[in-house]
Amino acid sequence: AQTVTQSQPEMSVQEAETVTLSCTYDTSESDYYLFWYKQPPSRQMILVIRQEAYKQQNATENRFSVNFQKAAKSFSLKISDSQLGDAAMYFCAYRPITQGGSEKLVFGKGTKLTVNP
Amino acid sequence: DAGVTQSPTHLIKTRGQQVTLRCSPKSGHDTVSWYQQALGQGPQFIFQYYEEEERQRGNFPDRFSGHQFPNYSSELNVNALLLGDSALYLCASSLVGVNDEQYFGPGTRLTVT
Repeated sequence: AQTVTQSQPEMSVQEAETVTLSCTYDTSESDYYLFWYKQPPSRQMILVIRQEAYKQQNATENRFSVNFQKAAKSFSLKISDSQLGDAAMYFCAYRPITQGGSEKLVFGKGTKLTVNP
Repeated sequence: DAGVTQSPTHLIKTRGQQVTLRCSPKSGHDTVSWYQQALGQGPQFIFQYYEEEERQRGNFPDRFSGHQFPNYSSELNVNALLLGDSALYLCASSLVGVNDEQYFGPGTRLTVT
């Protein structure tokens, strides 16, 4: 069974600084997706960034970037120039790739990010 | 373009009762997945509906059942509620395909007393 582990229950960062959230996963599949989701107090789960395992290039979305190490099964999220609005729970998630179907997401337990002014 | 909507927002039920939660998918989506998120935890997959059939199921008892309607909306039913069923229930919709994205609704907060 696939598992996702987030070893940092809580992290804090000063506004405008950079923070990195860690995630490791376990799978025997060779093709899959990895995601970082943000869940603010409003509860809406928002997709932050997505990485396809077959792509060697790390995904980037504005201030958000990932460090994807496939052999190590590691998928960390870097947030640059942190803003107060980045404060939220962040979840790492895994999903296998299959033809013709939408597979379930497997989530980690989350990391609570606090941004200090 | 309306996103995923869920109703109700909050719900309080008593142990042993039954509850129905509802989800309307994002326009154009045909697949609905349900997740349970206990306090302080990540979401856990309950089941997924596609073409009005349960396509996948997570490790949840038969007390959890669902339905998908011809317009792709979905219901989650939980019978014989337990205190441990208290959680945020998230619905996510997607369009079947290799590169499909799951879009989440705001969730229904269920409290069982």
